[in-house]
Amino acid sequence: GAVVSQHPSRVICKSGTSVKIECRSLDFQATTMFWYRQFPKQSLMLMATSNEGSKATYEQGVEKDKFLINHASLTLSTLTVTSAHPEDSSFYICSATDGFSYEQYFGPGTRLTVT
Amino acid sequence: EDQVTQSPEALRLQEGESSSLNCSYTVSGLRGLFWYRQDPGKGPEFLFTLYSAGEEKEKERLKATLTKKESFLHITAPKPEDSATYLCAVQPPDYKLSFGAGTTVTVRA
Repeated sequence: GAVVSQHPSRVICKSGTSVKIECRSLDFQATTMFWYRQFPKQSLMLMATSNEGSKATYEQGVEKDKFLINHASLTLSTLTVTSAHPEDSSFYICSATDGFSYEQYFGPGTRLTVT
Repeated sequence: EDQVTQSPEALRLQEGESSSLNCSYTVSGLRGLFWYRQDPGKGPEFLFTLYSAGEEKEKERLKATLTKKESFLHITAPKPEDSATYLCAVQPPDYKLSFGAGTTVTVRA
């Protein structure tokens, strides 16, 4: 149980284009989803928190107009990196919680490379 | 501000050589302390949640303990498949996780 998927697992895009990453909870309803980014040999940094049907809450220093988050249903959240630049290249990981326990279940991550 | 410090940064062990990883933390109201395992290029895999000082949890060769200031992850008689980065995270009442930088464990056969 508690499986979270992400798609795509890897994406390469050109500078200036936008890319969408999907995060799905496969066997539970995710009341809250979280988006993290991880640079090589560094730990996970929380970018934003999203609750189904409401606007995402962004952490300090994260540009909400650049990283668009939509949590349209209890099983799906999307992160769109708009006008991507090489410095946005990173490992993006989502997690989800069912609201009944404190555990966050993580997806397998998406490796974004901007050329 | 919540802070999590993990030590050592890297740990090289011989198969069967037991050791411990440390996670020191400061948090405004601890809801839970989490341990995750992360393999290269993968998302974190949940291992344990500890909620109160004195609590211990075990899973196979891993045992996690918690005090008011730190947590330890003990690896008993490790095998090469235990090689991974182990992440510690604290959760205050707002449910957000603050992660440490991790300890990368390499177990040689």
